Amino acid sequence: DTGVSQDPRHKITKRGQNVTFRCDPISEHNRLYWYRQTLGQGPEFLTYFQNEAQLEKSRLLSDRFSAERPKGSFSTLEIQRTEQGDSAMYLCASSSGGVRGIFNYEQYFGPGTRLTVT
Amino acid sequence: QQQVKQSPQSLIVQKGGISIINCAYENTAFDYFPWYQQFPGKGPALLIAIRPDVSEKKEGRFTISFNKSAKQFSLHIMDSQPGDSATYFCAASIYSGTYKYIFGTGTRLKVLA
Repeated sequence: DTGVSQDPRHKITKRGQNVTFRCDPISEHNRLYWYRQTLGQGPEFLTYFQNEAQLEKSRLLSDRFSAERPKGSFSTLEIQRTEQGDSAMYLCASSSGGVRGIFNYEQYFGPGTRLTVT
Repeated sequence: QQQVKQSPQSLIVQKGGISIINCAYENTAFDYFPWYQQFPGKGPALLIAIRPDVSEKKEGRFTISFNKSAKQFSLHIMDSQPGDSATYFCAASIYSGTYKYIFGTGTRLKVLA
């Protein structure tokens, strides 16, 4: 257990419905990442937060996807009007900003939320 | 140029043997190379990582070998155990406002008892 938690662990939804996932990072980590992993592939970067600011979004993140991190603590990822192609494992990771100017590259992943769109 | 190519796709090793997984990259701007282990239904777990100014790093039974000139790095698992059976991902990190990871496609390792 890395200390990163995600909820729910599994979500089955019908095409066209909206879904929201939550990620709670390790408490002292100010950086939070979302990745998507499809079957048999490595995780792909979606978006990144430093504290509450969303600093980068991948082109994989269509307009139907939105992520927030209010108050720089937990984060939510919402998918509107889900499509079957959205079926994947959605992973959250967090990292600290480093200590005394030494950047900490290590990202710690949560268990993921597996989304199935029927 | 942003890709990380990983091989083999799958690997079967006898208990006690050495498992070797290779990764290659093109972009010389990558500056951090972690390896992750993932069990079915779980998130990836950080195993070991290396910076390009080091040619080898060892932690227990796990060793990363790094060849900067060839733009290749590999994971060696010594004395492989059935509990090591999992999918392994290499990754490379590049700074573009943030250190996001670019992952390889994974290697499914099976260690036979």
